Amino acid sequence: AQKVTQAQTEISVVEKEDVTLDCVYETRDTTYYLFWYKQPPSGELVFLIRRNSFDEQNEISGRYSWNFQKSTSSFNFTITASQVVDSAVYFCALSLASGTYKYIFGTGTRLKVLA
Amino acid sequence: EAGVAQSPRYKIIEKRQSVAFWCNPISGHATLYWYQQILGQGPKLLIQFQNNGVVDDSQLPKDRFSAERLKGVDSTLKIQPAKLEDSAVYLCASTRDRGRWDTEAFFGQGTRLTVV
Repeated sequence: AQKVTQAQTEISVVEKEDVTLDCVYETRDTTYYLFWYKQPPSGELVFLIRRNSFDEQNEISGRYSWNFQKSTSSFNFTITASQVVDSAVYFCALSLASGTYKYIFGTGTRLKVLA
Repeated sequence: EAGVAQSPRYKIIEKRQSVAFWCNPISGHATLYWYQQILGQGPKLLIQFQNNGVVDDSQLPKDRFSAERLKGVDSTLKIQPAKLEDSAVYLCASTRDRGRWDTEAFFGQGTRLTVV
């Protein structure tokens, strides 16, 4: 069975702190993609990054960085020097090459960045 | 390019009433998804269309939910009759490529349904 677990329900940090959001996934497929989406209060999910199962290189984009480790089935997301505008719910998702290409979402982590 | 459009943004109905949601995906996007997001949970796929054909509706409660995508463009999702547990945000999403598994999805702002 495929599953995505985001154990952190809610995290609060003070502005400028670094914060890491955890994502653990389960699948027996060898070919898959992992995604992170941000859901601000307006409601729409905004795409942040995707990573395929054959590419374990970490990625940095501005204040955002992602750490993909197949050995621990984790795809963690770090925000450096957090800002109030980072406050949102963040979802990790899994998409398989087999099947009908639907996303399997985690339950999300609500991040509150306090000024 | 314009994003995924959904309407209405909010809807309050009594149980056993019917309700319909509308979605217009990004122009040219072949695949359209409807997700249900219950408060505190991640989105759950209800139905996936590729052009105007259904690809996956395995998690759609077919006794009360129905959806169509006429002409392979916009789509409607209907609930009849609604139950209290249908209270959720209904998200529509679309992807550019047909059936690609590595493509990011573009989401609308959703319709927040409250059943009282």
